[in-house]
Amino acid sequence: DTEVTQTPKHLVMGMTNKKSLKCEQHMGHRAMYWYKQKAKKPPELMFVYSYEKLSINESVPSRFSPECPNSSLLNLHLHALQPEDSALYLCASSQEALSWENSNQPQHFGDGTRLSIL
Amino acid sequence: QQQVKQSPQSLIVQKGGISIINCAYENTAFDYFPWYQQFPGKGPALLIAIRPDVSEKKEGRFTISFNKSAKQFSLHIMDSQPGDSATYFCAASLGGSEKLVFGKGTKLTVNP
Repeated sequence: DTEVTQTPKHLVMGMTNKKSLKCEQHMGHRAMYWYKQKAKKPPELMFVYSYEKLSINESVPSRFSPECPNSSLLNLHLHALQPEDSALYLCASSQEALSWENSNQPQHFGDGTRLSIL
Repeated sequence: QQQVKQSPQSLIVQKGGISIINCAYENTAFDYFPWYQQFPGKGPALLIAIRPDVSEKKEGRFTISFNKSAKQFSLHIMDSQPGDSATYFCAASLGGSEKLVFGKGTKLTVNP
């Protein structure tokens, strides 16, 4: 079992629906990430939160809206998605690098939410 | 410049054999090189990682070899087992950056 928990595991929604994906970690990590992964492809970075503030947005369409309510939780709000948005959405977390000596902290991934847009 | 090229795309190995996956990069500023293992229906799991000041790192049956001058690194899986059948991703990142640049992945199949 992973230490990053994602819910739901599967989600089917219509293009007009609003839904949210949730991610939780209790490892004390201060950086959290959302990735999108299509079949047979590597994960693609969407957003990074560092100390609960959005630090990276990889030019993601506004129909995806991230939220970090506290240091343990990360949400991804979905609205008016397109069929091409169907994918596995992965959450990850890592320790924040405080110095060069402990930079590049490993990212720990959850098992993802399989999203299907009808 | 930001790419990591991974080969082969797929690999079939007999049980007990050695699996070798190669990656190459261009950006000499990369200073962290992790390997991830992903099983179907699961998220990627960190397998092993290396920094450029080390030429080799071994953890159990898994070894990373790193060639800084050639800008290449590889994963060796010794005594490959059917349970190793998964997709493997190499990655690279810059010091202090949260961004990981992933290779395209290698689907490994270990036949019994």
